[in-house]
Amino acid sequence: DAKTTQPTSMDCAEGRAANLPCNHSTISGNEYVYWYRQIHSQGPQYIIHGLKNNETNEMASLIITEDRKSSTLILPHATLRDTAVYYCIVRVAAVFGSARQLTFGSGTQLTVLP
Amino acid sequence: DSGVTQTPKHLITATGQRVTLRCSPRSGDLSVYWYQQSLDQGLQFLIQYYNGEERAKGNILERFSAQQFPDLHSELNLSSLELGDSALYFCASSVVRGREAGELFFGEGSRLTVL
Repeated sequence: DAKTTQPTSMDCAEGRAANLPCNHSTISGNEYVYWYRQIHSQGPQYIIHGLKNNETNEMASLIITEDRKSSTLILPHATLRDTAVYYCIVRVAAVFGSARQLTFGSGTQLTVLP
Repeated sequence: DSGVTQTPKHLITATGQRVTLRCSPRSGDLSVYWYQQSLDQGLQFLIQYYNGEERAKGNILERFSAQQFPDLHSELNLSSLELGDSALYFCASSVVRGREAGELFFGEGSRLTVL
């Protein structure tokens, strides 16, 4: 799986959009971009994923550049409960119905400030 | 609630002992993954089972073993415990839709303290 680079930490004001960047310059054509987050000592939580197109769900939006070498996770209206470590993970498609494991890096510690 | 159930939530034991952690995946999920998270090493993948068979192995020590049973629940066995085995142990299960990569859903973890 391709390596990802994320800033170590970021702050965001409550109610504002949080934009978390991720570089994955060695991504290959069959690799998806996944975002997870981990609120202190809880199990990691799936947020969103994408292959080429931008994606949006009830939690966030994912913007993938046209060359797919970077992406941005957007939390449109950050709340204090969004304070967590956010992981950007690149991963190949499943094989024979079995999803590959996730390889977690260090992630970005997002702190939402009141 | 992810639907993945892990027991026990907390466990305190002594060095040299053996413990078993249990995981029940989400209904219908065939894959189970085990991860270890210690303070200084982040989330480390240990092992994956798919429908009862080992599918992938990560940084799992020889003192650790796992299995997935016919009802799809899984157990992680940790033996000859050392102080450094103190960590959070997470189980995850996954669903695959079509040709996508599949999301993993994590349980709340089992916190192991070795004294």
